[in-house]
Amino acid sequence: DADVTQTPRNRITKTGKRIMLECSQTKGHDRMYWYRQDPGLGLRLIYYSFDVKDINKGEISDGYSVSRQAQAKFSLSLESAIPNQTALYFCATSDPLVDPTGANVLTFGAGSRLTVL
Amino acid sequence: AQKVTQAQTEISVVEKEDVTLDCVYETRDTTYYLFWYKQPPSGELVFLIRRNSFDEQNEISGRYSWNFQKSTSSFNFTITASQVVDSAVYFCALSGGSNYQLIWGAGTKLIIKP
Repeated sequence: DADVTQTPRNRITKTGKRIMLECSQTKGHDRMYWYRQDPGLGLRLIYYSFDVKDINKGEISDGYSVSRQAQAKFSLSLESAIPNQTALYFCATSDPLVDPTGANVLTFGAGSRLTVL
Repeated sequence: AQKVTQAQTEISVVEKEDVTLDCVYETRDTTYYLFWYKQPPSGELVFLIRRNSFDEQNEISGRYSWNFQKSTSSFNFTITASQVVDSAVYFCALSGGSNYQLIWGAGTKLIIKP
């Protein structure tokens, strides 16, 4: 099994629908992240969490919310999806305990491709 | 403000050629980190290298090498004797500041033709 698992891998939905993307990890990492990838723009940070009680907005949090249900689970929600949220979404984890530099190496999931019609 | 520029949107070479992917960054931080990640056609991003701002030594790992030059704010990545399996999108990223969040370049799509 993958260290970081994202579900669903692909989703097509309609404008206005609520969507949840789920992420679970078996690496035991405290830090989890949600990124969005758009062609020609690289990755942009949506939200990140350094532990279960810590949630932080990233660069592009508007229109998104997250929930850190446990150390291993970090979900991303789109309350009312719109077409410009069509993108590839990545969950990632990092471990500051074994990687004490401020700039952690990230372990990524396989991505969730979301299409909003 | 921090910024990462990967000016090469797409590069196409024939197998066994050497290829260099450029990465230019901007930051006012004195302590920062630079990364390269690979995204193969399967989609998952894979870490390749991290370099901190105090270590300008070039690094070689098999067919891969990295040239870090603070004087030109560049962290270029060279693949020697390229192979079809090297076909991927390669991202350069910068981390610094108070929260060390990553700033990503737009990526370079590398196509290796057999």
